[in-house]
Amino acid sequence: QQQVKQSPQSLIVQKGGISIINCAYENTAFDYFPWYQQFPGKGPALLIAIRPDVSEKKEGRFTISFNKSAKQFSLHIMDSQPGDSATYFCAASRGSARQLTFGSGTQLTVLP
Amino acid sequence: NAGVTQTPKFRILKIGQSMTLQCTQDMNHNYMYWYRQDPGMGLKLIYYSVGAGITDKGEVPNGYNVSRSTTEDFPLRLELAAPSQTSVYFCASRPGTANTGELFFGEGSRLTVL
Repeated sequence: QQQVKQSPQSLIVQKGGISIINCAYENTAFDYFPWYQQFPGKGPALLIAIRPDVSEKKEGRFTISFNKSAKQFSLHIMDSQPGDSATYFCAASRGSARQLTFGSGTQLTVLP
Repeated sequence: NAGVTQTPKFRILKIGQSMTLQCTQDMNHNYMYWYRQDPGMGLKLIYYSVGAGITDKGEVPNGYNVSRSTTEDFPLRLELAAPSQTSVYFCASRPGTANTGELFFGEGSRLTVL
């Protein structure tokens, strides 16, 4: 199976709060799990990524938590800011061509 | 610092018309991809290419064709446009030597078929 399931579809958080977006995958051959951020009218851009040999990766306010046995991974945005308001996509890839399979996206709104 | 450039940004087509979405990258990337983005559906892979002269189908190739005659260019051809092809199309690229899957996306081409 190639699906990557993402939730929630939309998320509203107060400034300073924690935003959490969850993804689950089925294909155990996936070996690279990125998160992309997309602002209106722009293409997606890589935010942070993780490989399945680690359980957590942190870059600034953004953290990926990875649970290989449950085939789940999540994005945590600490101290959320209005500038973080965007659509977030989880994805997974495998193979030499690295075709990405994307989740359905989460529209995050951070209220001032 | 052009990166991945897509043209046109917007286009309206009538049912049955044909057109080509242009994509060019100046980063000398081997791999190039075409995705379509529909509301609430994420991005779906249409076609991809691992180098000049080599292309392969993705998840949703029907109704589209591609070619890759140069490293820089990867045009997407729509034949006999249908309303179901109304979408935002993104071209992306990545270097062949990178061990990561980071894709560099263009800003998209919004297509409406009426």
